[in-house]
Amino acid sequence: GNSVTQMEGPVTLSEEAFLTINCTYTATGYPSLFWYVQYPGEGLQLLLKATKADDKGSNKGFEATYRKETTSFHLEKGSVQVSDSAVYFCALSVRHLDTGRRALTFGSGTRLQVQP
Amino acid sequence: EAQVTQNPRYLITVTGKKLTVTCSQNMNHEYMSWYRQDPGLGLRQIYYSMNVEVTDKGDVPEGYKVSRKEKRNFPLILESPSPNQTSLYFCASSSDSSTDTQYFGPGTRLTVL
Repeated sequence: GNSVTQMEGPVTLSEEAFLTINCTYTATGYPSLFWYVQYPGEGLQLLLKATKADDKGSNKGFEATYRKETTSFHLEKGSVQVSDSAVYFCALSVRHLDTGRRALTFGSGTRLQVQP
Repeated sequence: EAQVTQNPRYLITVTGKKLTVTCSQNMNHEYMSWYRQDPGLGLRQIYYSMNVEVTDKGDVPEGYKVSRKEKRNFPLILESPSPNQTSLYFCASSSDSSTDTQYFGPGTRLTVL
């Protein structure tokens, strides 16, 4: 089956520090990969995505590269801000050929706390 | 504004009392689904729908029902809620492509006593 493993949190950083949140996956077929962010009290929002190997997704200073050889999609940001404090979810999406079902398989989430 | 709405946002109920959580999207999306979020488990899909009158089970469908009579609405029904259904529920929608973004509602926090 499909699965996503991401580093446990919380991750606590000082403002302007470098951020890496690791994400690895197992999947049948050719998944699309996503990072979603959940701010306190809100639903999930797409942060970035990559749909094929070697693609790099980027948004708001965050980046992640689809690495098929290492089955990874690590999230990075060069300089975090207090406003980046949130829970980050790595996810993959594949279409099941037999049913047509498409579902996001999520990691367990990583809480990021950025201190001033 | 493109959005997914859910109601209610918060609900406290008792075991066995039927409830419905509504979900509506205004983006004309074919694909809708329900997830539950539990600590340490991420989000897990409960049910999904690929179009009107087409629904199917996700990973954790037990104890839930859904219907899709109109394209924009996808209610989640708990016929006889139990305490293990206490969770945070999200509705999501997308157009019919595996690479497309899923748009999430704001969530419904359900407590079953």
